[in-house]
Formats: sequence, structure tokens, C-alpha cells
Amino acid sequence: ETGVTQSPTHLIKTRGQQVTLRCSSQSGHNTVSWYQQALGQGPQFIFQYYREEENGRGNFPPRFSGLQFPNYSSELNVNALELDDSALYLCASRPPEANYGYTFGSGTRLTVV
Amino acid sequence: GENVEQHPSTLSVQEGDSAVIKCTYSDSASNYFPWYKQELGKRPQLIIDIRSNVGEKKDQRIAVTLNKTAKHFSLHITETQPEDSAVYFCAARGNRDDKIIFGKGTRLHILP
Repeated sequence: ETGVTQSPTHLIKTRGQQVTLRCSSQSGHNTVSWYQQALGQGPQFIFQYYREEENGRGNFPPRFSGLQFPNYSSELNVNALELDDSALYLCASRPPEANYGYTFGSGTRLTVV
Repeated sequence: GENVEQHPSTLSVQEGDSAVIKCTYSDSASNYFPWYKQELGKRPQLIIDIRSNVGEKKDQRIAVTLNKTAKHFSLHITETQPEDSAVYFCAARGNRDDKIIFGKGTRLHILP
């Protein structure tokens, strides 16, 4: 077990709905990144949070938003779901002293129908 | 924008032989290059990484090389075993932010 947990593991939503995915990182992991991994593709960077503030964003529209909390947990929110949002969503976190090494959670498989 | 290209997309290797996966990156300021292994239905797991001030790093059967001038880096797996079968991703981290950009992956099949 890596210490980075995500919930739920699987989720089915209808187009147009909103979804919240959750990530719980190890104590001290104050940097968390979220990735979208479509089937057969590499993870695509959505955004990153450091000390509860967004400090980097990939090419995703504003309907993808996030929050990071003082207890090292974080959320990914997606509004107005589209069919193409169906993917595996991964969070990855690291402590400040491990300047480069990220640990991934096991992901949430989102299916939009 | 930043880009990481990975080749080949699929690789079949006889058990015991070596496997090589190659990547190129576009951002010359990239300074960290991790490799991840992802088994079916599981999370990506870091298997080895290399920083821009090092040209080569080895960990048992796995080695990574980096050519900063050519913006190339490669993963070498020797004495391949059935459990090496998985999808491997290379990635690069820019110097300006913490964003890690992934390649599209290489599906490695180890043949008996």
C-alpha cells in the first residue's frame, strides 16, 4: 500500500452531471497533482496543488477544478460531464523533501454515459 | 508546448533477452525523468528515475540513460522475466513548474 488512496474506485455518471473525486495523501505530502488517463494513453496532467493553492494547470477547461485541504486530502471536481471525460483519474502526491518522486493512487475509473 | 515522445508503442521480447524503450523530450529545461510501470488495472509505479546532472543510473536489471544534448533518454531492462510484461511510461519534469509530462507508453510483452 502506497499511502495514497482514492475514492470511489469506480463511478458511472450521466452526461451533464457533476462529479467529485477524492484523494487522501500521506501526512506531509503537501503537493498533489491530478491526471486523466484515457484508455491506452499516458496520464495527462490536469492541475497541481501546493499548500492548498493551485500552482500549475494543464490543457483542461475550467469545468475541471480542484481543492486541497490542510489534512493532505484533495478533490477533483468536474462539471457538465461529457462522454470524453470517461477515463481513469489519478492523483499523485509527494512530500516536500522528496523533490521529484511522486506516488500515485490507484485511481478512480469514471464512465460517462 | 512541452512534449514527450515514446517509442516503440509495442515491444515483444523473448524471455531472458533485453528490452530498450526510447523517449525524447521537447523542453530543454527539463531536469527530472521518471519511468513508470503500469500493470493492467493498476496504478503507475515508479521504477527508476534520473536527474539532469546524471548520465546513467542502474538498479539491478533496470538502467536508464540520459543524453541532454540530444534530449533523449532510454530505459534498458536486461534478463527480462514474465513479470516485466506491462505498460511502461517515460516522463519529463520541466524546470519552471512541477508538471510531469508523460509519453504515450510502451506495451512490453515478454514471450516464453
